[in-house]
Amino acid sequence: SQTIHQWPATLVQPVGSPLSLECTVEGTSNPNLYWYRQAAGRGLQLLFYSVGIGQISSEVPQNLSASRPQDRQFILSSKKLLLSDSGFYLCAWRGRQLSGANVLTFGAGSRLTVL
Amino acid sequence: AQSVAQPEDQVNVAEGNPLTVKCTYSVSGNPYLFWYVQYPNRGLQFLLKYITGDNLVKGSYGFEAEFNKSQTSFHLKKPSALVSDSALYFCAVSLDTGGFKTIFGAGTRLFVKA
Repeated sequence: SQTIHQWPATLVQPVGSPLSLECTVEGTSNPNLYWYRQAAGRGLQLLFYSVGIGQISSEVPQNLSASRPQDRQFILSSKKLLLSDSGFYLCAWRGRQLSGANVLTFGAGSRLTVL
Repeated sequence: AQSVAQPEDQVNVAEGNPLTVKCTYSVSGNPYLFWYVQYPNRGLQFLLKYITGDNLVKGSYGFEAEFNKSQTSFHLKKPSALVSDSALYFCAVSLDTGGFKTIFGAGTRLFVKA
């Protein structure tokens, strides 16, 4: 069966420090991968998506970047964190078959607090 | 551009009563519509989806949703609410283009009182 892992689960970082959040998927190949941010326990904002290794699409201009070094690995990074980067970050995947009709499967999330 | 609206920030209902959580959407083309639920400090879980066919879709935990093309709505319903249904509910829409992105509504918090 397919599983998705995100780490770390919780992170407290000072302003100006770097960030690396990692997401890996098991039990599938060629997934579409997504990073969402949820602020204040409400709506989800799509940050990045990837349809293959090295292929990253950015949805909003921001202080963050994403990379996909391997088929089932998706990394969210920042060189210098801002206070506004605080939030709950969710990684998700969906299978290629049936395209947009596929269900998104989410990781448990990474809560980032920037002080 | 595609968008999803959930007009209610919060819905309060007594246990045993029917519940409705509203959702309207705006897309070009035929949408794939979803409902997800989120419990505190957790990722989202899939409840149900509409792809094509019967406008009434049944999902997990006794939830169902009705697709109405003329009103561009996809309201979530349950005949009898449980306290354990209290959570944050998200309506979402996907298209078959652009990485098959899924766009979410702002979420509706459901409180079920015993």
